[in-house]
Amino acid sequence: ELKVEQNPLFLSMQEGKNYTIYCNYSTTSDRLYWYRQDPGKSLESLFVLLSNGAVKQEGRLMASLDTKARLSTLHITAAVHDLSATYFCAGSYSGAGSYQLTFGKGTKLSVIP
Amino acid sequence: GAGVSQTPSNKVTEKGKYVELRCDPISGHTALYWYRQSLGQGPEFLIYFQGTGAADDSGLPNDRFFAVRPEGSVSTLKIQRTERGDSAVYLCASSSIPGLTNNEQFFGPGTRLTVL
Repeated sequence: ELKVEQNPLFLSMQEGKNYTIYCNYSTTSDRLYWYRQDPGKSLESLFVLLSNGAVKQEGRLMASLDTKARLSTLHITAAVHDLSATYFCAGSYSGAGSYQLTFGKGTKLSVIP
Repeated sequence: GAGVSQTPSNKVTEKGKYVELRCDPISGHTALYWYRQSLGQGPEFLIYFQGTGAADDSGLPNDRFFAVRPEGSVSTLKIQRTERGDSAVYLCASSSIPGLTNNEQFFGPGTRLTVL
């Protein structure tokens, strides 16, 4: 059974600072996803990581995947207030024929001016 | 194009009642998923449809929960004899073909269910 753990669960950071959110998973995961959720809203897809060493960047966010360590990171560069949201990582394993996502508990990010 | 839509956006019901939640996936998406998100938690998988059939219903918590997708498009999640513990946001997601490389799932806005 795939388990996904994120840390930290809460993160308060000042504008302009850098920080990293960590996502560990317990067993083989074919794909690793990062989603953003604003309060009262649904999930917005940010990144899909498919292979060891994959790195993707969009604006101030960069995601990477290390399948050997079973670790993905979401790095925030020079944070701005608009990045305040909850970020989820999720893994999926297609071995059993299902492509369900298993989510972490989320990291609630607050960027303070 | 239109994204995943869900109705109603909010549903308040009394303990013991029956509810139906509807999901309209992105046109052409063959895969449809239902998830449940409790307050402060990540979404948890309930059921996965490939076409009309439920390919994986291992996440349904008990036999009060049932879902259908009769024509391979719209899906309805049905909850019988609702309990207060069923209160959560029910999310629907769809994707094009799960076997494709990234299987990106697109989520709807969710239905917030409150059982009094």
